[in-house]
Amino acid sequence: GENVEQHPSTLSVQEGDSAVIKCTYSDSASNYFPWYKQELGKRPQLIIDIRSNVGEKKDQRIAVTLNKTAKHFSLHITETQPEDSAVYFCAARDPGGSQGNLIFGKGTKLSVKP
Amino acid sequence: DAGVIQSPRHEVTEMGQEVTLRCKPISGHDYLFWYRQTMMRGLELLIYFNNNVPIDDSGMPEDRFSAKMPNASFSTLKIQPSEPRDSAVYFCASSSTYNEQFFGPGTRLTVL
Repeated sequence: GENVEQHPSTLSVQEGDSAVIKCTYSDSASNYFPWYKQELGKRPQLIIDIRSNVGEKKDQRIAVTLNKTAKHFSLHITETQPEDSAVYFCAARDPGGSQGNLIFGKGTKLSVKP
Repeated sequence: DAGVIQSPRHEVTEMGQEVTLRCKPISGHDYLFWYRQTMMRGLELLIYFNNNVPIDDSGMPEDRFSAKMPNASFSTLKIQPSEPRDSAVYFCASSSTYNEQFFGPGTRLTVL
């Protein structure tokens, strides 16, 4: 089955700097890659996603890139702000089964220091 | 839409007691997922349903855990008997085919 690895597990940056979180997946048939943000004590919420027919997607300060050949995708946050501090999870849709299941990475705890 | 609804939000119980967690998915969604989150193990998928049918329960830790979805608007996750190591936040999520999963607010379970 699908396996998702996420790095780093923790990341600390200064306010205004950029942050990059990387994930790799194992099944080349995976076609959907969402990123979730989880603030302390809250539920995971989708912040951006990308499908396998595009290589990059941007939404204001957030961007995701996908390299299908290498089977990895990354989250880029520019001009980080203290409110970006949270745990970020990448995921890949499991191509097996009934096309509904996501396989999540272990998460990256991002700390943005003012 | 109110989003995914879970109850209770917090549950404190004693070891050996039965615990029932409840979830109402977003109307029209055909997938429902139960996750468990702990600091040590992260976000773990326990079981998921498609059109009320369990598809994959390989993440259910042991026979003490069971889940049902009697109709499209309701699901339960039951732990009987509960143990301290079951303490975690349990999330329910729902989605429609090929689209994002929406998470509920979670149930924080503490087993003493």
